[in-house]
Amino acid sequence: NAGVTQTPKFQVLKTGQSMTLQCAQDMNHNSMYWYRQDPGMGLRLIYYSASEGTTDKGEVPNGYNVSRLNKREFSLRLESAAPSQTSVYFCASSDSTGGTDTQYFGPGTRLTVL
Amino acid sequence: AQKITQTQPGMFVQEKEAVTLDCTYDTSDPSYGLFWYKQPSSGEMIFLIYQGSYDQQNATEGRYSLNFQKARKSANLVISASQLGDSAMYFCAMRNYNFNKFYFGSGTKLNVKP
Repeated sequence: NAGVTQTPKFQVLKTGQSMTLQCAQDMNHNSMYWYRQDPGMGLRLIYYSASEGTTDKGEVPNGYNVSRLNKREFSLRLESAAPSQTSVYFCASSDSTGGTDTQYFGPGTRLTVL
Repeated sequence: AQKITQTQPGMFVQEKEAVTLDCTYDTSDPSYGLFWYKQPSSGEMIFLIYQGSYDQQNATEGRYSLNFQKARKSANLVISASQLGDSAMYFCAMRNYNFNKFYFGSGTKLNVKP
């Protein structure tokens, strides 16, 4: 099992450009999440999807949109990138149907907006 | 309001000694889970240990144990017999099951000295 995979690993954008970060999990988890991590800080939740077909805003949703394409895939879109969106983006998934709901993370995407 | 507080931005420990990383939390949800993650310099987020709010005993996973003091709202991570590979950032996180929220602390950078 690959766990949680993210593409791309690195990306440089110019202000105003758009892009989509892709995330997929093969653990049959129902919940998926997008976080950003700024230097020297913990993770902040952007959006999450508790189950296929649902999405909800997290702590810092402005400037982002998400799509839960199917149970495996959850994408994050930046419509018009800004330098303030320079960050490392992590996707995570969890089995929230019972138990601990522990989140497992992908390797991250390092995004720089010039 | 700060939900997870990690008051130690950085710590040093001698190899083979034990170290305690502090975490306090704030919640009114009686049903919650507490998690610790390790983030090495390579950047990935690695799940270490989980403690549920109703668990009677402190969680242990190998060299990791969680000192859970519910009345004091603390969930300190204890690493026994530190190894050089333990040098990393450590994040405390909380999941509120009834409120469907997930919070991360700002992290503690641990350096293990040979």
